Amino acid sequence: GAVVSQHPSWVICKSGTSVKIECRSLDFQATTMFWYRQFPKQSLMLMATSNEGSKATYEQGVEKDKFLINHASLTLSTLTVTSAHPEDSSFYICSARPPSALAKNIQYFGAGTRLSVL
Amino acid sequence: SQKIEQNSEALNIQEGKTATLTCNYTNYSPAYLQWYRQDPGRGPVFLLLIRENEKEKRKERLKVTFDTTLKQSLFHITASQPADSATYLCALAPSGNTGKLIFGQGTTLQVKP
Repeated sequence: GAVVSQHPSWVICKSGTSVKIECRSLDFQATTMFWYRQFPKQSLMLMATSNEGSKATYEQGVEKDKFLINHASLTLSTLTVTSAHPEDSSFYICSARPPSALAKNIQYFGAGTRLSVL
Repeated sequence: SQKIEQNSEALNIQEGKTATLTCNYTNYSPAYLQWYRQDPGRGPVFLLLIRENEKEKRKERLKVTFDTTLKQSLFHITASQPADSATYLCALAPSGNTGKLIFGQGTTLQVKP
């Protein structure tokens, strides 16, 4: 089955530092990956669509310069939270679709990254 | 405005009973609707997809219905077990084939032994 790996699972950083989160599709190639943010007891909010070899597409209200997305290969997308502040503390989750799931848009999710900014 | 809503109140049921979760949407015309399970501190896991021309879909103890007139989907778990305790999310694609999914806020199910 399709596996999406996300790393790290938990990160604590000081305010003002940058944090990079990796999302890998382990057994399939993905031209697009998706980044979500989830606050406690709330829904997943789509932040951006990561496109291999081109710029990411950000949702309205998401700061491009704050959340840098790079999709340099067909199996890896990274999300960098730049100059993190306590309000950026959240659960970040990525997803991807293997070729077999594209038609139905079934997404396979990573395990998520819990970011805590002190 | 566009909305996708699930009952945010936790659902507590006794083991063996049927759990029914509701997903309502407004100002969308989805071609399909999906249901995911999310355990605490984990990413969602896909369960079922139902298309707009399907009234019902089943998978083992799971059943999903889709009423495009009511703009509602119901998710049933029969013979529920404590291991079914989790948060269940419904999701739909807002438009086109961009790959985007919009999620409801989820309903937390607690099955008591």
